[in-house]
Amino acid sequence: AQSVTQLDSQVPVFEEAPVELRCNYSSSVSVYLFWYVQYPNQGLQLLLKYLSGSTLVESINGFEAEFNKSQTSFHLRKPSVHISDTAEYFCAVSDLAGGYQKVTFGTGTKLQVIP
Amino acid sequence: NAGVTQTPKFRVLKTGQSMTLLCAQDMNHEYMYWYRQDPGMGLRLIHYSVGEGTTAKGEVPDGYNVSRLKKQNFLLGLESAAPSQTSVYFCASSSAGNYGYTFGSGTRLTVV
Repeated sequence: AQSVTQLDSQVPVFEEAPVELRCNYSSSVSVYLFWYVQYPNQGLQLLLKYLSGSTLVESINGFEAEFNKSQTSFHLRKPSVHISDTAEYFCAVSDLAGGYQKVTFGTGTKLQVIP
Repeated sequence: NAGVTQTPKFRVLKTGQSMTLLCAQDMNHEYMYWYRQDPGMGLRLIHYSVGEGTTAKGEVPDGYNVSRLKKQNFLLGLESAAPSQTSVYFCASSSAGNYGYTFGSGTRLTVV
């Protein structure tokens, strides 16, 4: 069985400050890892994903996440946040077993960017 | 390219009523999913489908039924709605070998 833990339910941060949203996972097999973003009253959108290769992955809007196998973590970071980054962020894990992509989501972290 | 379309967007039901939520995708994805989202609980998988004519139970299937008669459509039914089914429902789809879901914009359901 796989699971995802997002340690912080809410993270307030001032505009232009750096932010880190924490995500830890557990799985008995190799995994794929994802971050999704949900803006108010919208569905989830894929922000970035780690499948294989370089452990550092980046999104088009300046976020990055690093896969750390020894610490079973996939923390999301941005060096300077904007008001438009205010949203809820979900970490997700998908294992490689089975014939379909079974994804387990974390409970989400609400990022509030303060002007 | 519409992606994943959910209808309706909002609905209020009385306890005991039935309804069907429709999900349609135009990306020729093999896999489709129904999730519910509740505050503090993240997304929980209700049912999923790995192909036309096949469905399977997810984490919280009780009180729901699904059908996938056509590859592009995935229906979620509530036969006798209960207040505990008040939630936001999301449909998602994915293709084999392309890891990452495409989500619809959600259906906000209130059962009174």
